[in-house]
Amino acid sequence: DSGVTQTPKHLITATGQRVTLRCSPRSGDLSVYWYQQSLDQGLQFLIQYYNGEERAKGNILERFSAQQFPDLHSELNLSSLELGDSALYFCASSRDGENSPLHFGNGTRLTVT
Amino acid sequence: GQQVMQIPQYQHVQEGEDFTTYCNSSTTLSNIQWYKQRPGGHPVFLIQLVKSGEVKKQKRLTFQFGEAKKNSSLHITATQTTDVGTYFCAGEGGGSYIPTFGRGTSLIVHP
Repeated sequence: DSGVTQTPKHLITATGQRVTLRCSPRSGDLSVYWYQQSLDQGLQFLIQYYNGEERAKGNILERFSAQQFPDLHSELNLSSLELGDSALYFCASSRDGENSPLHFGNGTRLTVT
Repeated sequence: GQQVMQIPQYQHVQEGEDFTTYCNSSTTLSNIQWYKQRPGGHPVFLIQLVKSGEVKKQKRLTFQFGEAKKNSSLHITATQTTDVGTYFCAGEGGGSYIPTFGRGTSLIVHP
């Protein structure tokens, strides 16, 4: 058990809809990362937060947004969903956001139909 | 941007054979991390290498970081069925503190 909690485990929704994925980091970790994993793209970095502030942005679409709350949990919002957004979404946390190993949650499998 | 290439994409071995996966970065890395993802699971951190030429061992696993800090390898001696999974390298460097993941090497061990 990594200590990182992600909900829900599975999500099935239709194109055009909006969903919210939730992540609670390991106790004591200040940084949260979101990654998208698909068969053809591997693990793609989306966005990083550190202690409530956005620190780095990767290949995150404009239809996607995220935030980290004062209690350090994070939410990833995906809107106007398309079939191609179907993937496994991982949240990971680290102690200080630099040169620290990532601890991944179990992921949310999103299926867009 | 920084790119991390990993080969091979897949490797089939008979139980007891050795296995190696290689990772190459387009830029000099400040560190490299290795993760293992079991089928249906999530990536699990194995190790981090920081120093040029560093070699670390974990039981049957040997991790190396190249002298130029642009490549790394993971070698498993005498594979077991429990070694099945996808092994990812992830490098930080090029001014970024975000680990960039390679595509991973999927290890299939035949009993």
